[in-house]
Amino acid sequence: SAVISQKPSRDICQRGTSLTIQCQVDSQVTMMFWYRQQPGQSLTLIATANQGSEATYESGFVIDKFPISRPNLTFSTLTVSNMSPEDSSIYLCSVLGLADNNEQFFGPGTRLTVL
Amino acid sequence: KNQVEQSPQSLIILEGKNCTLQCNYTVSPFSNLRWYKQDTGRGPVSLTIMTFSENTKSNGRYTATLDADTKQSSLHITASQLSDSASYICVVSDRSGGYQKVTFGIGTKLQVIP
Repeated sequence: SAVISQKPSRDICQRGTSLTIQCQVDSQVTMMFWYRQQPGQSLTLIATANQGSEATYESGFVIDKFPISRPNLTFSTLTVSNMSPEDSSIYLCSVLGLADNNEQFFGPGTRLTVL
Repeated sequence: KNQVEQSPQSLIILEGKNCTLQCNYTVSPFSNLRWYKQDTGRGPVSLTIMTFSENTKSNGRYTATLDADTKQSSLHITASQLSDSASYICVVSDRSGGYQKVTFGIGTKLQVIP
């Protein structure tokens, strides 16, 4: 299994500011993802964080709003830029395990509130 | 469009009772189905994972079933405990072109009361 930590665990931010969320995995993994979980909603994939190249964004998400870095196989950051109250959500880092079943592991999440 | 629907949306049961949560999906081509438990304020934690050829899998008091023909799955919780209070999310993966994509259900919010 993979153990994932995220920082910060929660934050309250002002409209118009930016927040960078860090994700650290205890082992090298190929696939890392960032998800958003809005209140009462299912998880929505924001992007796949690619090591050494630009992230792959899902429809509705753009790099200017959610820049992602992945400098190595154990670490990634997601920045939520120019925040508005609609960005209030839980942001989750996720990785795929190396076993054949491709089990997916999730970090504890970062609870973001934008005022 | 791939979809995963869960029912009920929420459920309250007495401690010690059993319950069953349902998941219907339209994901194709099917790769695997997973049930996750998500405690409030935490990330989802995997309970079971099943591939096409598996129709039942247990993890302690949790038993998941899969009917790939009808595209339905259930999660049965036996002798519920207060710590079972959480959201239970059904997640179905497809493998189109060798790249795994996942579709999440909205979850069933379970509350176990004394």
